[in-house]
Amino acid sequence: DTEVTQTPKHLVMGMTNKKSLKCEQHMGHRAMYWYKQKAKKPPELMFVYSYEKLSINESVPSRFSPECPNSSLLNLHLHALQPEDSALYLCASSSTTGKLTDTQYFGPGTRLTVL
Amino acid sequence: EDQVTQSPEALRLQEGESSSLNCSYTVSGLRGLFWYRQDPGKGPEFLFTLYSAGEEKEKERLKATLTKKESFLHITAPKPEDSATYLCAVPNAGNNRKLIWGLGTSLAVNP
Repeated sequence: DTEVTQTPKHLVMGMTNKKSLKCEQHMGHRAMYWYKQKAKKPPELMFVYSYEKLSINESVPSRFSPECPNSSLLNLHLHALQPEDSALYLCASSSTTGKLTDTQYFGPGTRLTVL
Repeated sequence: EDQVTQSPEALRLQEGESSSLNCSYTVSGLRGLFWYRQDPGKGPEFLFTLYSAGEEKEKERLKATLTKKESFLHITAPKPEDSATYLCAVPNAGNNRKLIWGLGTSLAVNP
């Protein structure tokens, strides 16, 4: 099973709201990722967690706050977003064999609209 | 600088008309090349991982091949349900958890 689940599927929020995106995988993967994708563009990496520790932050604004409560869950906390943050937010996971590059498996995404 | 270029940007085929998509890359020490399919509004669906020149992988009507400079995704006798954007990615030479993506090929297969 190579399934990554994400909730909610759609989210509409105002610029003063606080919301969270959730991601879950049960493949035993120890690396998890957050991506942002705009229309007709490839995914853009935001954060990487490896063994529940933040290993990559691609200079993402602090209004995005990631959290990895355990090896199966990944959250993205949102606060004071801007309309330009509207996008498809993707979660991915991969194993950590370390020999070559492990395949990343993506979830279905959360479509975020900021009003 | 590490780079991935996909061509063509868009491709329209008739059902049953075979063709190939190209992904050329410049990266030092390739440690994998990934093909994904993405439908509008959905997450990328994993298709293939290739690790070494000469490697080939097949899945239904799709076959991926890899050379030292490029990869091809061959689509044999496509059906309308193969319509999607096909994305290619390679790991960054400095950190293999960071993928360098091509801009994708948008494929439309007409019945």
